[in-house]
Amino acid sequence: DVKVTQSSRYLVKRTGEKVFLECVQDMDHENMFWYRQDPGLGLRLIYFSYDVKMKEKGDIPEGYSVSREKKERFSLILESASTNQTSMYLCASSRPGMNTEAFFGQGTRLTVV
Amino acid sequence: AQRVTQPEKLLSVFKGAPVELKCNYSYSGSPELFWYVQYSRQRLQLLLRHISRESIKGFTADLNKGETSFHLKKPFAQEEDSAMYYCALSGSNYKLTFGKGTLLTVNP
Repeated sequence: DVKVTQSSRYLVKRTGEKVFLECVQDMDHENMFWYRQDPGLGLRLIYFSYDVKMKEKGDIPEGYSVSREKKERFSLILESASTNQTSMYLCASSRPGMNTEAFFGQGTRLTVV
Repeated sequence: AQRVTQPEKLLSVFKGAPVELKCNYSYSGSPELFWYVQYSRQRLQLLLRHISRESIKGFTADLNKGETSFHLKKPFAQEEDSAMYYCALSGSNYKLTFGKGTLLTVNP
């Protein structure tokens, strides 16, 4: 059973803090993704990675960075958190290929105050 | 650029009625299309993908390249179908793009 685990379910941070969201998958997947999910806006891709140390910008990378030092772990970093980054963050992983299924984590609800 | 459009934010039907959730896409090559579903308090999960040509939970979706559409259909909606549905597109660079979602409510 594929597992994608996000380190926190709920997180509250202050404006200006550096925030780390961690995601770990246990199925040896090459591809990993970070999305934010907002009502009325759906899922928007922040960054994705198709291999260790490789990363590609998604549609809304501004204010975020990522790190993938190990295959199973993909971290999302908010360099200086702002209130407009309050959102639900979803991590996903998949095998290589265009038609493979993406498996999602349970999400991290981040509130920036 | 790749884009997925779901024109309906909300869709409400009665149990037993047919349901169609619309999805249109924009992509210059040959994309792979998916429908994902998120039930209340559950993770987002794959419902079906066009390459499989299968029916899952009574849902089907046909890729129409001429109209660049991938609408999701079910002839008889059930209350347990109430959920948020997302259409998604995967391109040759493995970028997976989602639409804004349609919240389906099936009323008893």
